[in-house]
Amino acid sequence: QLQLQESGPGLVKASETLSLTCTVSGGSIGSSSYCWGWVRQPPGKGLEWIGSIHYSGSTYYKPSLRGRVTLSVDTSKNQFSLKLSSVTAADTAVYYCVRHAPGRGTYSPGVLEYWGQGTLVTVSS
Amino acid sequence: DIVMTQSPDSLAVSLGERATINCKSSQSILHSSNRKNYLAWHQQKPGQPPKLLIYWASSRESDVPDRFSGSGSGTDFTLTISSLQAEDVAVYYCQQYYTTPHTFGQGTKLEI
Repeated sequence: QLQLQESGPGLVKASETLSLTCTVSGGSIGSSSYCWGWVRQPPGKGLEWIGSIHYSGSTYYKPSLRGRVTLSVDTSKNQFSLKLSSVTAADTAVYYCVRHAPGRGTYSPGVLEYWGQGTLVTVSS
Repeated sequence: DIVMTQSPDSLAVSLGERATINCKSSQSILHSSNRKNYLAWHQQKPGQPPKLLIYWASSRESDVPDRFSGSGSGTDFTLTISSLQAEDVAVYYCQQYYTTPHTFGQGTKLEI
């Protein structure tokens, strides 16, 4: 059974960089056509896709966050990571790591199959 | 970006009755080559992460009860719960995965 577990600081200061890691168990990041990604949910609000990555290096980002977001994969640790720079209070949210099924194109993200439990990140001033 | 719009925003249904949630995309998410609709439904119960219920607009995940069904094509989709159970209280989100950025509807809160 695939499991995803987010980890990282729960409090980040405004203007600094938010860094989260997702550890995958029950499956290998580097041996499949799956993409791995991040979705966030501000308190009391809806879901927002941030971006996704394939271990080959193909990345897909939400355009409005492009320039602030960096995704990376560490196949040796079976982990993938999110970095979001220049954070503001608007970035306060529960961050979920996810696995996509294969999508339409080569190494592209398809349906969100698995979700981590989520981790709350609060941006403080 | 493809905009996903759900209706209603909230819904109260009696136990054992039918619940219907609608989702509309701003452009077609039907792929012409494979005739598949790139539409999923996720269920989020209070205090829990979302859970995939339905993909390809009408295919149920293996552990999802058959009272849940999805239908529609092109730009208009529906999630139906045929006989509402107490454990179905949740927020339901539609999501398109036809193209990036993947986008979600605003959610529909389902109550008893």
